[in-house]
Amino acid sequence: DTEVTQTPKHLVMGMTNKKSLKCEQHMGHRAMYWYKQKAKKPPELMFVYSYEKLSINESVPSRFSPECPNSSLLNLHLHALQPEDSALYLCASSQGIQTSGRREQYFGPGTRLTVT
Amino acid sequence: TQLLEQSPQFLSIQEGENLTVYCNSSSVFSSLQWYRQEPGEGPVLLVTVVTGGEVKKLKRLTFQFGDARKDSSLHITAAQPGDTGLYLCAGVDNYGQNFVFGPGTRLSVLP
Repeated sequence: DTEVTQTPKHLVMGMTNKKSLKCEQHMGHRAMYWYKQKAKKPPELMFVYSYEKLSINESVPSRFSPECPNSSLLNLHLHALQPEDSALYLCASSQGIQTSGRREQYFGPGTRLTVT
Repeated sequence: TQLLEQSPQFLSIQEGENLTVYCNSSSVFSSLQWYRQEPGEGPVLLVTVVTGGEVKKLKRLTFQFGDARKDSSLHITAAQPGDTGLYLCAGVDNYGQNFVFGPGTRLSVLP
């Protein structure tokens, strides 16, 4: 099973709403990632979890709050977002972040977020 | 900061044509990966190259890693409309610390 699942597929939220994005993988991977992708741009790394601990936070605003409840699940909690936060949010996983430098990442289909 | 550049930025060709896209850096990478992304979907891993000079084939796609591990190419033979998408290269620096994406090549194969 090389599938990473993400829910919801689409999300429209107002600037005062609180919502969460969910990601799940069952490949036994120990690293999980959140990326943000704007139209016609490559994915931009937001957060990396390694062994359920936050390893990298790429200076992301506090209105984005990640959570890794266990090795298979990754959440992204959203609060007080701005219209410019509208983007495709991608989750990915890999075997690890320290081993051999290969770090092949398997991506989910993404959540298309629109902030109104 | 390791940067990856990709060329061309856009490519529109007819079905049946051959094409090559490039991924270049001034830094050495311990590995490079190629992904294809279709609109509204996540990137799909195509291949990882690790050894300088390595060549890998995936059906009509041929991937090459430069001898110095600073560049890579993707050659598609007899392109088909199903090859349409954004091709992203991504790499891990030689210290195994930083993972970066290139800006991508947007390919359109017309029937």
